[in-house]
Amino acid sequence: SAVISQKPSRDICQRGTSLTIQCQVDSQVTMMFWYRQQPGQSLTLIATANQGSEATYESGFVIDKFPISRPNLTFSTLTVSNMSPEDSSIYLCSVRTTGNTGELFFGEGSRLTVL
Amino acid sequence: AQKVTQAQTEISVVEKEDVTLDCVYETRDTTYYLFWYKQPPSGELVFLIRRNSFDEQNEISGRYSWNFQKSTSSFNFTITASQVVDSAVYFCALSEEGYGGATNKLIFGTGTLLAVQP
Repeated sequence: SAVISQKPSRDICQRGTSLTIQCQVDSQVTMMFWYRQQPGQSLTLIATANQGSEATYESGFVIDKFPISRPNLTFSTLTVSNMSPEDSSIYLCSVRTTGNTGELFFGEGSRLTVL
Repeated sequence: AQKVTQAQTEISVVEKEDVTLDCVYETRDTTYYLFWYKQPPSGELVFLIRRNSFDEQNEISGRYSWNFQKSTSSFNFTITASQVVDSAVYFCALSEEGYGGATNKLIFGTGTLLAVQP
């Protein structure tokens, strides 16, 4: 398994500001993903964080709004830029451990409220 | 396109009752993976099970059991003798096969809120 730490766990932000969420894993992982869960909704994949290269974004998500970094195999950041109340969500980091067991683990999430 | 449907939005049972959560999926891939996750009120996602498309054996883990039926594209989850601590949102998810046979991004269903009353 993998232990995933996300910071901040929650925050209240003002409209128009940006916030960076950090995801730290206790072991090297091959793949890291960022998901969004809007209030009362399911999880939607934002992007795959690629180590050493640009993230791969899903339809409806763009780099200017959600820039992602992944400088090494254990760490990634997601920035939510120019926030609006519609960005109020839980943002979750997910990792796939090495090997072919393929289990996907999630961090505890970062709950953002935009006023 | 891949899709996961959890038709039951909310289920309420009384403690000790058995309850089955339904999951129906769509995919064109011949190799895929199915998951169940639990999300208690605290918000974290707890991994419950991963099953690949070639393994149709049903699985039992304590009070939990899973019934995988490729013929009906279903992967249902049963909790036997439910307890109050089972109250949570349960998500079914589908993943395409990635490099080396591993799983990649997950397509989630909309979740089923299970409320177990004492």
